[in-house]
Amino acid sequence: NAGVTQTPKFQVLKTGQSMTLQCAQDMNHEYMSWYRQDPGMGLRLIHYSVGAGITDQGEVPNGYNVSRSTTEDFPLRLLSAAPSQTSVYFCASSLSSGSSYEQYFGPGTRLTVT
Amino acid sequence: KNQVEQSPQSLIILEGKNCTLQCNYTVSPFSNLRWYKQDTGRGPVSLTIMTFSENTKSNGRYTATLDADTKQSSLHITASQLSDSASYICVVSATGGSYIPTFGRGTSLIVHP
Repeated sequence: NAGVTQTPKFQVLKTGQSMTLQCAQDMNHEYMSWYRQDPGMGLRLIHYSVGAGITDQGEVPNGYNVSRSTTEDFPLRLLSAAPSQTSVYFCASSLSSGSSYEQYFGPGTRLTVT
Repeated sequence: KNQVEQSPQSLIILEGKNCTLQCNYTVSPFSNLRWYKQDTGRGPVSLTIMTFSENTKSNGRYTATLDADTKQSSLHITASQLSDSASYICVVSATGGSYIPTFGRGTSLIVHP
């Protein structure tokens, strides 16, 4: 199993550009989520999904869109990039929703917005 | 507001020594507490998970303790190795409602030979 994969690994955007961060998992996990990690702060939840066709907002959803058309994929879209969105983005998945299930994290995407 | 505070912010130790990392939380109602290890440039990996009724949980040289009354947890690393150099993150989850865990800022551990 590849586990949780993310592409790209690095990305530089100009303010106002849009892009999609890709996330895929091959473990047949129901629950998937996106986090951002900023220096000096804990990971913060952006959006999550409890299954195909179901998504919900986390702590910091503004400026981001998600959709979940298949169990395997959970892309994160930046609609109009801003410098405040410079961060490292992690996708995670777990067998089911609920904190007792272990989350498996991807390797991250480092995004810089200039 | 749910909060997780970790100390120290950073720690440098010599290979072979032991160390203890601290986590204090105000998350309520408490469901469980996890410790993650995050290597530089990688995603976090779960080390242990503890629920309200568990006081101690071990994973090899890593031992986590939980005092739910004082809302404190510690992660003890025994006989440290160079590969233990990483950030250690405490994560606390509440029961009920949406699943939005609260992450601490992490303790950066450097093990020197």
